[in-house]
Amino acid sequence: AQKVTQAQTEISVVEKEDVTLDCVYETRDTTYYLFWYKQPPSGELVFLIRRNSFDEQNEISGRYSWNFQKSTSSFNFTITASQVVDSAVYFCALSEAEKLTFGTGTRLTIIP
Amino acid sequence: SAVISQKPSRDICQRGTSLTIQCQVDSQVTMMFWYRQQPGQSLTLIATANQGSEATYESGFVIDKFPISRPNLTFSTLTVSNMSPEDSSIYLCSAEDRAYEQYFGPGTRLTVT
Repeated sequence: AQKVTQAQTEISVVEKEDVTLDCVYETRDTTYYLFWYKQPPSGELVFLIRRNSFDEQNEISGRYSWNFQKSTSSFNFTITASQVVDSAVYFCALSEAEKLTFGTGTRLTIIP
Repeated sequence: SAVISQKPSRDICQRGTSLTIQCQVDSQVTMMFWYRQQPGQSLTLIATANQGSEATYESGFVIDKFPISRPNLTFSTLTVSNMSPEDSSIYLCSAEDRAYEQYFGPGTRLTVT
């Protein structure tokens, strides 16, 4: 069975600090996909990234970066120079046959 | 990316009644899904909406309680039947686009009194 663990329930940082959200996963599949989603207070789920299991290159998109390490089954998400608008719940998810298994989420609060 | 809309955005319903939620995608997609997010919780997959055949339900969810329709490649409905307060949740529709990226609708906030 698949499992996604986001051990950090809540994180608070002061604006402009960097913050890393951890995600550890378990799967028996050799081919799988990992996702990150943002859920701001408005409630919609915003797609951030999808990464397949064969691509371990780190990804950078503006202030966001992702570190995928198969050896430790981790897919961590870093926000650089955080802003108040980054305050949200962030979910990591793992897909099997297109069905997503979500972690419990990390609530990130950026303090102005 | 796929753009997904849902109706209604929110509703307050009485115990014992049913509510049908509609999900519309702006392009044809193969895979559509329905998720539930209980208050303060993560998302749980209810079922995969299959076009032209019955939906595939996850453990703990049954067709009698959550009937699903998928009449074409852009539309699906989820009905929450015989509601109880425990059904109060956000219900989200999702679809997978051609790049295998999965996008979500804005959700339907359901409160059962």
